[in-house]
Amino acid sequence: GQQLNQSPQSMFIQEGEDVSMNCTSSSIFNTWLWYKQDPGEGPVLLIALYKAGELTSNGRLTAQFGITRKDSFLNISASIPSDVGIYFCAGPHSGTYKYIFGTGTRLKVLA
Amino acid sequence: SAVISQKPSRDICQRGTSLTIQCQVDSQVTMMFWYRQQPGQSLTLIATANQGSEATYESGFVIDKFPISRPNLTFSTLTVSNMSPEDSSIYLCSVLDSYSGNTIYFGEGSWLTVV
Repeated sequence: GQQLNQSPQSMFIQEGEDVSMNCTSSSIFNTWLWYKQDPGEGPVLLIALYKAGELTSNGRLTAQFGITRKDSFLNISASIPSDVGIYFCAGPHSGTYKYIFGTGTRLKVLA
Repeated sequence: SAVISQKPSRDICQRGTSLTIQCQVDSQVTMMFWYRQQPGQSLTLIATANQGSEATYESGFVIDKFPISRPNLTFSTLTVSNMSPEDSSIYLCSVLDSYSGNTIYFGEGSWLTVV
């Protein structure tokens, strides 16, 4: 079945640094969603991508839909302590609205 | 986006008992889903809650263990039956927002611990 692998699995960074993470799939997606999950809460949608090559920003966050349609990237610029959390990518099973989720990237920011 | 409320937000349950989680949305939605997130893991889709008909379950999940109801377009319930410690997870209700690019939004989740 379809799987989404995220890299890195976890990362520690210094406050103020830029962060990059990615999500790769074994098959093609036509939509990529990026979420952040804080402890004790449900995932919150950050960015949605719908077209190969698309680059979309939300404040300090920028995400890109890979040209091959098998990957997506999320960048966070000038990280701050509240960026701590788990970031998930998600994409729909082919031909459905049932989203599968990536393995997650756990971000820890050192002040 | 729709506002999604789940109850209970957290519970400690005895082994062998069942618990029903409620999901209420502030607007009518066509598709509702239930996910499970085991400790330290990603989200796994349990089933699609269909209004007026039986839920559609994903591989590895069965109706006897996770019965789902969806009586209308704003409400759904998930029951976790005959619980064991392996059922300790966060259970998340989500809805498809077809007005904003078919994105999905989540409730706060229901944290269940089975002892």
